[in-house]
Amino acid sequence: AQRVTQPEKLLSVFKGAPVELKCNYSYSGSPELFWYVQYSRQRLQLLLRHISRESIKGFTADLNKGETSFHLKKPFAQEEDSAMYYCALSVMGGGSNYKLTFGKGTLLTVNP
Amino acid sequence: DVKVTQSSRYLVKRTGEKVFLECVQDMDHENMFWYRQDPGLGLRLIYFSYDVKMKEKGDIPEGYSVSREKKERFSLILESASTNQTSMYLCASSPGTMFSGYTFGSGTRLTVV
Repeated sequence: AQRVTQPEKLLSVFKGAPVELKCNYSYSGSPELFWYVQYSRQRLQLLLRHISRESIKGFTADLNKGETSFHLKKPFAQEEDSAMYYCALSVMGGGSNYKLTFGKGTLLTVNP
Repeated sequence: DVKVTQSSRYLVKRTGEKVFLECVQDMDHENMFWYRQDPGLGLRLIYFSYDVKMKEKGDIPEGYSVSREKKERFSLILESASTNQTSMYLCASSPGTMFSGYTFGSGTRLTVV
């Protein structure tokens, strides 16, 4: 069965320090992974997706199929990065449709 | 340019009441989803729909039902609200492809007393 694991519920770093939010997945098919972010009192929004190979707000994520991981990284954390982060895996839901399976989330706090 | 709208931001209901949560999207997406979000438990899928008048159970459908009479609207129904259904409810829509991801609504914070 498909599963997404985010091992850290809470992560606290200082401003300017590197940050890595871990995500591991279990899926028998070809994985497509996403990171979503929820800032305080805002809606959940897409941060980045594997297929785009993009860097958003200084964050990057690399898919490692050998380690079944999709860790989110930023070299220098900013206070405005404080938020809840969810890793998500796109899985077949029925017919040709897909749905997302989410991890339980990591609350990142960046201290001044 | 709000694309997924949930009708209420906060709701307070009494135990045993029938509760309707409404969600409307304007992106012509085929797929719509209802999740509940609880601290430490992440997002758990309640129900989803790939087309008008069709529905599929998610991971935690007990105590809930849904209705999708029009493509743009997906309603979550709590048949008889209970205190353990106090939660944040999130609606999302998607074109349904592997790479598309979701667009979320702003959520409805439901408190059952």
